[in-house]
Amino acid sequence: DVKVTQSSRYLVKRTGEKVFLECVQDMDHENMFWYRQDPGLGLRLIYFSYDVKMKEKGDIPEGYSVSREKKERFSLILESASTNQTSMYLCASSFPDGYTEAFFGQGTRLTVV
Amino acid sequence: KQEVTQIPAALSVPEGENLVLNCSFTDSAIYNLQWFRQDPGKGLTSLLLIQSSQREQTSGRLNASLDKSSGRSTLYIAASQPGDSATYLCAVNSGGSNYKLTFGKGTLLTVNP
Repeated sequence: DVKVTQSSRYLVKRTGEKVFLECVQDMDHENMFWYRQDPGLGLRLIYFSYDVKMKEKGDIPEGYSVSREKKERFSLILESASTNQTSMYLCASSFPDGYTEAFFGQGTRLTVV
Repeated sequence: KQEVTQIPAALSVPEGENLVLNCSFTDSAIYNLQWFRQDPGKGLTSLLLIQSSQREQTSGRLNASLDKSSGRSTLYIAASQPGDSATYLCAVNSGGSNYKLTFGKGTLLTVNP
């Protein structure tokens, strides 16, 4: 059974904290993605990575950075958490082709207070 | 830039009814289209992947159709059950930069007992 696993289901952090969200996949996928999901705005792409140490900005990268040191792991970093980063964060992975499915993790609900 | 629209935003039906969810996209040059299900507070679960060369794809009570030339896909759910209540999202893979997905905002389906 294929899996994308996010390290936390729920997180509560304080404004200004550095926050790490971790995602691990076991499907040997080259592509990994971080999205945030907000009511009325849908899923918005923050960053994606197409190989180890390779990354590209998505639609809303401001206030975020990423790290991919190993193929199976993709981390999202909030350098200084703010209340407007309270959201549901979703990690996904896929092969870099047009023929196979993308798979998602279970989501991390982050609240910044 | 690819844009994906899902109509209606919400749908409420009685149990046992057959129903259709709609997805439209602006650029017909796609590789595939994927339908997902999302339960409240959870991640996305892949339901069906339909390739650009296919007209339809079936899984159990679900049938997805694709009309690439008109930029439309439908998800047909037969004999709906309360357990089908969820948000359904469609996502289009247009190729390009490592085959990222473009998502619609989803249709919230409620099946009443």
